[in-house]
Amino acid sequence: KNEVEQSPQNLTAQEGEFITINCSYSVGISALHWLQQHPGGGIVSLFMLSSGKKKHGRLIATINIQEKHSSLHITASHPRDSAVYICAANSGGSNYKLTFGKGTLLTVNP
Amino acid sequence: GAGVSQSPSNKVTEKGKDVELRCDPISGHTALYWYRQSLGQGLEFLIYFQGNSAPDKSGLPSDRFSAERTGGSVSTLTIQRTQQEDSAVYLCASTLPRGASGSSYNEQFFGPGTRLTVL
Repeated sequence: KNEVEQSPQNLTAQEGEFITINCSYSVGISALHWLQQHPGGGIVSLFMLSSGKKKHGRLIATINIQEKHSSLHITASHPRDSAVYICAANSGGSNYKLTFGKGTLLTVNP
Repeated sequence: GAGVSQSPSNKVTEKGKDVELRCDPISGHTALYWYRQSLGQGLEFLIYFQGNSAPDKSGLPSDRFSAERTGGSVSTLTIQRTQQEDSAVYLCASTLPRGASGSSYNEQFFGPGTRLTVL
């Protein structure tokens, strides 16, 4: 079992819909990252959080440390949001290496 | 430069050849990471540098893989006697010194990656 599990693997939505991607982790963490990767593109860090909730524009990330669960929400989704969204955990220790989920491929249709 | 850069962007090589992949981190970033993204496998950690030393090499898949970092800046990942299973996108990321931004665990800035194809 992967230490970081994401669901769903694939998600198709219509423009304007509210999107939720879930991430569960089995290790103790110090921070949880949400990353975005467009097809053929590089990886961009969206959020890094260790508690509570963060918001950037139409993106919202939440984390529940007790339940070892995080969610990424996209409000009023747009075709340009189509990308792979990756959850990754810093498991602590002396370095910041990331353990990654397998990613969620989001396709937003116009 | 403004971001993490990697070269080459694409590398096609024949099985058994050696390859070198280069990463230029953001200036002032003391921590540097190499990751690999294989088709269907997702991202996996390879090696971590703090300055010029590598306290965590636990992700290197075999002794054919090695990496070094000089001057606390540029890093080179070397794969000797490449195999077809080495085909992947190799990504580099860097972070500010620990605690620099007020948080113990800093945001990782990723390079564009090097796509390696071993024929």
